[in-house]
Amino acid sequence: QVQLQESGPGLVRPSGTLSLTCAVFGDSVRSSNWWSWVRQSPGKGLEWIGEVSRSGTTNYTPSLKSRVTISLDTSNNQFSLRLTSVTAEDTAVYYCVRDSSLIRGVGLDCWGPGTLVTVSS
Amino acid sequence: QSALTQPPSASGSPGQSVTMSCTGPSSDVGVYDQVSWYQQHPGKAPKLLIYEVNKRPSGVPDRFSGSKSGNTASLTVSGLQAEDEADYYCCSYTGSKKQFGGGTKLTVL
Repeated sequence: QVQLQESGPGLVRPSGTLSLTCAVFGDSVRSSNWWSWVRQSPGKGLEWIGEVSRSGTTNYTPSLKSRVTISLDTSNNQFSLRLTSVTAEDTAVYYCVRDSSLIRGVGLDCWGPGTLVTVSS
Repeated sequence: QSALTQPPSASGSPGQSVTMSCTGPSSDVGVYDQVSWYQQHPGKAPKLLIYEVNKRPSGVPDRFSGSKSGNTASLTVSGLQAEDEADYYCCSYTGSKKQFGGGTKLTVL
């Protein structure tokens, strides 16, 4: 059974950098699946942030592209999210998610439990 | 603002059927059979319900079904149960970008 688990600071200062890691269990980040980050601001809907493939190819949502980096750590079977110059609008629950290569288009079939990151001084 | 439009709310009584829509650009939803649907209960991570418009992952009850007509994808919940009360999101893929609809809150009366 595949499981994902986010980890990282729950509080980030404004203008700082948000850094999260997702540990993958039961699958390999070297597999043909894509590895994504999705966030949800309090009381709001889901927002796809971006993804990374086993080759390190990345895709990002246009509104965050200038501030976000998603990368793989194959030695530890995990992937990471880095978001710079954060503001209060980046306060959200952040989910790491597997996008199955067996599904055409988008098939976010395995989600981490999510981690709340608050941007505040 | 998402390019995928969902009604903010829907409701139905136990045993009834409810259909929720997801409308997108003709160049996206209208062309590709790549819409997926997610169910999210309060305080929980979303769960994949439907993929490739009308396919169900293992373990998802057949009360949940998906379809598409033109630029609009739909999720139907038949035989409504109290546990179906949740938020439902559609998601589509265009080129290298994925996006969610704004979500529909389903209330079981």
